[in-house]
Amino acid sequence: ETLLTQSPGTLSLSPGERATLSCRASQSIRNNYLAWYQQKPGQAPRFLLDGASSRATGIPDRFSGSGSGTDFTLTINRLEPEDFAVYYCHQYGNSPQTFGQGTKVEI
Amino acid sequence: EVQLLESGGGLVQPGESLRLSCAASGFTFSDYAMRWLRQTPGKGLEWVSSISGRDGRTYYADSVKGRFTISRDISKNTLYLQMNSLRAEDTATYYCAKVLTAMSGASDFWGQGTLVTVSS
Repeated sequence: ETLLTQSPGTLSLSPGERATLSCRASQSIRNNYLAWYQQKPGQAPRFLLDGASSRATGIPDRFSGSGSGTDFTLTINRLEPEDFAVYYCHQYGNSPQTFGQGTKVEI
Repeated sequence: EVQLLESGGGLVQPGESLRLSCAASGFTFSDYAMRWLRQTPGKGLEWVSSISGRDGRTYYADSVKGRFTISRDISKNTLYLQMNSLRAEDTATYYCAKVLTAMSGASDFWGQGTLVTVSS
């Protein structure tokens, strides 16, 4: 099973700042099949990015993804108040698909 | 607009069964793979089971294989998860999710979740 380790566990930032979230895999992810999701309290996860870098429909361009192999990054430029949430990475290139434990972005 | 609405969660005792449903709308249900995932505060998000769009092939996490069955009724645009021999560790919020495309395994739409509690 591919273990995804997200860091940091919590990121304390202010609106307008940049958030850099890391997702590291225990083995290389086939075809860089990795997605990112945002989850707010009491809500289901919301799809942000696919294939490590392709934004989902309606996701603002301040969200960007990068990486390949075992190291992936989600960057949120100019944090807006609505961006404070928990972010998860999800790999679906290796079986079974797995999720990271999440990074909380807080004010 | 894609909508996924889960139902069927509740409190059951260990060893009992439960069937979850997920009513889908806003897309051609038979064209897309669907999956069930679950979330707990302790273990986080976990994939449970998937069913492919084209041929209905099914897949399961080892933790539920032999106990859970995923199925769908295309005529009703509904996804199901039959859960048998439930254990305390199956306690979680269960989500159904649509898979983005045949080429991408990302979950682009999620239901609101239904809580399953297994406790005596």
